[in-house]
Amino acid sequence: GQNIDQPTEMTATEGAIVQINCTYQTSGFNGLFWYQQHAGEAPTFLSYNVLDGLEEKGRFSSFLSRSKGYSYLLLKELQMKDSASYLCAVSSLMTTDSWGKLQFGAGTQVVVTP
Amino acid sequence: NAGVMQNPRHLVRRRGQEARLRCSPMKGHSHVYWYRQLPEEGLKFMVYLQKENIIDESGMPKERFSAEFPKEGPSILRIQQVVRGDSAAYFCASSPGPTGYYNSTLHFGNGTRLTVT
Repeated sequence: GQNIDQPTEMTATEGAIVQINCTYQTSGFNGLFWYQQHAGEAPTFLSYNVLDGLEEKGRFSSFLSRSKGYSYLLLKELQMKDSASYLCAVSSLMTTDSWGKLQFGAGTQVVVTP
Repeated sequence: NAGVMQNPRHLVRRRGQEARLRCSPMKGHSHVYWYRQLPEEGLKFMVYLQKENIIDESGMPKERFSAEFPKEGPSILRIQQVVRGDSAAYFCASSPGPTGYYNSTLHFGNGTRLTVT
């Protein structure tokens, strides 16, 4: 099975930076994804890491260390609209004919205050 | 290019009735995934299908739940004899290939919110 852990909630002020950590345990690691989900809406794709290092995409960056089973999502210049749940998800090769499904963490609720 | 389409958006059923949830993947996507989400919780994997085949149903309850993705038409998640514990948001997602393969990622529909009374 897989264990994917991330904090339940984080609060930050507008304009600040917030880092959401995610640790995972899995065999056959095949990539780590971050999704954003506003209340009552569909999750939307933010980033994908399969190799170690930092991927930057505008105000959002994602980091991966495969040896440590660790990733973080960095949100810079926070805006009120960034208040949402951020989901860490791991893709793993479970079996030769069952690869490609994502397992999600419980999500981190980010609250941005004025 | 239309996204993943799910219907109905909201579904109310009485205990013991059947619920049918539909999902049309994005154009060109042949991989469909169903997830369940309870309030304040993350997405729980249920089943992964390709056209006419169930690839992985390890997250699906053994009884009352079934899924299909026929050659023609949408994918259907069927819940028979619903109970209150089935109340949740059910999300469908599609991808052009298995996730993680050539950066293939999931695209989610807006979900069906099932309420069992």
